[in-house]
Amino acid sequence: GQQVMQIPQYQHVQEGEDFTTYCNSSTTLSNIQWYKQRPGGHPVFLIQLVKSGEVKKQKRLTFQFGEAKKNSSLHITATQTTDVGTYFCAGRSGTYKYIFGTGTRLKVLA
Amino acid sequence: EAGVTQSPTHLIKTRGQQVTLRCSPISGHTSVYWYQQALGLGLQFLLWYDEGEERNRGNFPPRFSGRQFPNYSSELNVNALELEDSALYLCASSRQTGNTIYFGEGSWLTVV
Repeated sequence: GQQVMQIPQYQHVQEGEDFTTYCNSSTTLSNIQWYKQRPGGHPVFLIQLVKSGEVKKQKRLTFQFGEAKKNSSLHITATQTTDVGTYFCAGRSGTYKYIFGTGTRLKVLA
Repeated sequence: EAGVTQSPTHLIKTRGQQVTLRCSPISGHTSVYWYQQALGLGLQFLLWYDEGEERNRGNFPPRFSGRQFPNYSSELNVNALELEDSALYLCASSRQTGNTIYFGEGSWLTVV
């Protein structure tokens, strides 16, 4: 079945450093979404990517969708303590069911 | 506009008991999704309802079941609770299948 792998599982960075998480699907995706979950909270929608090679930016966050629509990345420039949390990607292909990646837990050290 | 609401927010059950979790989607949303997030793990898809019908279910045993009511609210039922059922259960809704899904704050279930 469809699988979505996310790496790394954990990442500790110093405040001000950059951070990237990668999402890889075993199948071609029709779209991919990214979510952020603060500690103790629920996942909150960040963005959706649909087109091959699409790049979208939200302030310090840059999202990319691969040309083959099988991978995606989230890059945070100059991390801040408010960036702490777990970042999930969720891919959809065919069945309208979103498959979530396992998440990358980001810890920012002040 | 109210978001996705879930109840109860926290509950403790003993092994073997049954639990019902409730979810009210955002007004105008017809699809409801249920996910389980065990401590430290990613989101696992449980069930998807759309227009009152079960459209898909994840790899969970039959003791996990649910339904969607005519007003599009939904219930998740778990029978014969086991310790490993302890998790955050998240409900999400979307306007149509394939659109952005919005999550509720979840129901924390602890099985002792």
